[in-house]
Formats: sequence, C-alpha cells, structure tokens
Amino acid sequence: DGGITQSPKYLFRKEGQNVTLSCEQNLNHDAMYWYRQDPGQGLRLIYYSQIVNDFQKGDIAEGYSVSREKKESFPLTVTSAQKNPTAFYLCATYKGSYGYTFGSGTRLTVV
Amino acid sequence: GDSVTQMEGPVTLSEEAFLTINCTYTATGYPSLFWYVQYPGEGLQLLLKATKADDKGSNKGFEATYRKETTSFHLEKGSVQVSDSAVYFCALSTYNNNDMRFGAGTRLTVKP
Repeated sequence: DGGITQSPKYLFRKEGQNVTLSCEQNLNHDAMYWYRQDPGQGLRLIYYSQIVNDFQKGDIAEGYSVSREKKESFPLTVTSAQKNPTAFYLCATYKGSYGYTFGSGTRLTVV
Repeated sequence: GDSVTQMEGPVTLSEEAFLTINCTYTATGYPSLFWYVQYPGEGLQLLLKATKADDKGSNKGFEATYRKETTSFHLEKGSVQVSDSAVYFCALSTYNNNDMRFGAGTRLTVKP
C-alpha cells in the first residue's frame, strides 16, 4: 500500500545536538511538507517542497533545515539553533486529486 | 493572511449526543475547506472536504457545509460514539495549495 513513513516514532535529543527526522513516501506525490504540532495548538508549517531540489520556508523555519534530493524523501534536521524543539512533527504530501496525506508523526523530546 | 478559527475545547459529550464544532475562516480567494481527525499518537486523517460554496462534505456520519456568506464550515454529527473521541482540525487550502492553514484543534471526548 502507498503511504508516508516517518521514522523514528520517538526521538530524544540532548541539548546542543542536531537530529534528523526521516520522511519517505511512495505515493509519487510532488509536494511534501513538514509541520510542527505543540500541545493544544494547531499545525504550523516549517518547510515545504514542491519539486526535487527546491524547497521553501514556512512560518517557523528558524532552527530547522531540509533537503529534497529525491522525490520520495524529505528529511528534516532540527539543529541546535532551535531552542524549543520538543514537539510532535508531521510530514505530509499533496497531490491535487488526493489532497493532503499525513504520516504518523515523530515525537521529539529534548533530554 | 488566510486563517482558520475553530471553537475551543475540550468538548465532552455523552454517547448518542449531537455534535457541533464551529469553524470560521478568513481567506482572500476561494479556498477549499477540510476537516481532519487525529487519534492519540497518530497523524491526521482526512475526514471530509468541500471545494466550493454550498458544497456539503460527509463521511462516517459527519457533515459540514461550505457557507461562503458566513465564512463557516461547521462540523456536525447527529449521534456520536465513544470511538469518535479524538482531536478535530478545521483547515483551508488556497488555490495555489502552497500550504494548508489549520485551526488549533478541538478535542472531543465521548463518554459511554
């Protein structure tokens, strides 16, 4: 079955570390997104990419970086510059006829 | 900019009660409107959508009508079940679909 795989499901980061969250899709969708979800809040857009080798900042890109070297993959790196990274991170794809499809998320905790 | 406002939760209902979750939007164009549902520890699943004024989206007993005159897309269900307990998000996407704007989410708890 086609879908989006996010890994790991739980991730722990020490202060000052960079960590990378994986997002892989086999839906053949062009557009991919990263959202951050904090308790009791909606989703906020971090980065998005509509084609390979191109990506755009969302509303809260500071402290994050992405790459899009393959259509299937859109990894998110949470850098040490992100001062409050503890959150639930969701990856999504978009294709007009299907709308948005979400992965099951990665919960990142700073220890 | 485009935005979505939905009623604050949490909402607690008894099984078989009527559900309404209010959602209003602000958009410069003609957005598509969505309701997503999120179960604990999971991603969002599309519940229903409407792409133009007066369209009604429906799924699993849930309904919402795109009301351009009141800029609203309220979610309703006639008889909720315990299994409907989740967080519900109203969202819109604009013509270019560069991103989707979400409401803050409303947590629904249904008690037996």
